[in-house]
Amino acid sequence: EPEVTQTPSHQVTQMGQEVILRCVPISNHLYFYWYRQILGQKVEFLVSFYNNEISEKSEIFDDQFSVERPDGSNFTLKIRSTKLEDSAMYFCASRTVVNEQFFGPGTRLTVL
Amino acid sequence: KQEVTQIPAALSVPEGENLVLNCSFTDSAIYNLQWFRQDPGKGLTSLLLIQSSQREQTSGRLNASLDKSSGRSTLYIAASQPGDSATYLCAVRGGSRLTFGEGTQLTVNP
Repeated sequence: EPEVTQTPSHQVTQMGQEVILRCVPISNHLYFYWYRQILGQKVEFLVSFYNNEISEKSEIFDDQFSVERPDGSNFTLKIRSTKLEDSAMYFCASRTVVNEQFFGPGTRLTVL
Repeated sequence: KQEVTQIPAALSVPEGENLVLNCSFTDSAIYNLQWFRQDPGKGLTSLLLIQSSQREQTSGRLNASLDKSSGRSTLYIAASQPGDSATYLCAVRGGSRLTFGEGTQLTVNP
């Protein structure tokens, strides 16, 4: 069964460094998402992406964040200058036009 | 702004019991509602999707209902098993985004 994959599973970085989180959505899906979950808190929406542009973003998704679909399969989230409070589990998700969102296993980001 | 609340926050039951998890949301203008399962430190597994025009969806021992006008959904788990132990999340889609509740942590004791 097709699934969303994410790499790496765990990323440790120093405060102020740039990180890129990678996702491979399900191949026939058209909408792509990033969410995050800070330890012990709710899953929060960051951004949605459709037709090669951002379709919706939350107030969390400020100028430090960017997304890209560099080729036909990958979808990336870049954090330019990481802060301690960016430590969280980051989930990628994808869906077709009307169906459910499928989530990847997540990347645990630890900012030291 | 959409708010999603799940009750109870935690639930512990003996194996074999039937149980109900509750989800409420403040804005009834939704496209659909999804129930997810999350195991500790893991990703989200989609269990059921209910479109806004539907009242109910079933998958195996799981049955989810939706009352959009009152802003409520329930997830019914029949004949619970220890393997059902996990956190169950409710999420509603308005626009493009999913808005999540905080989850119900379920423990099924053998």
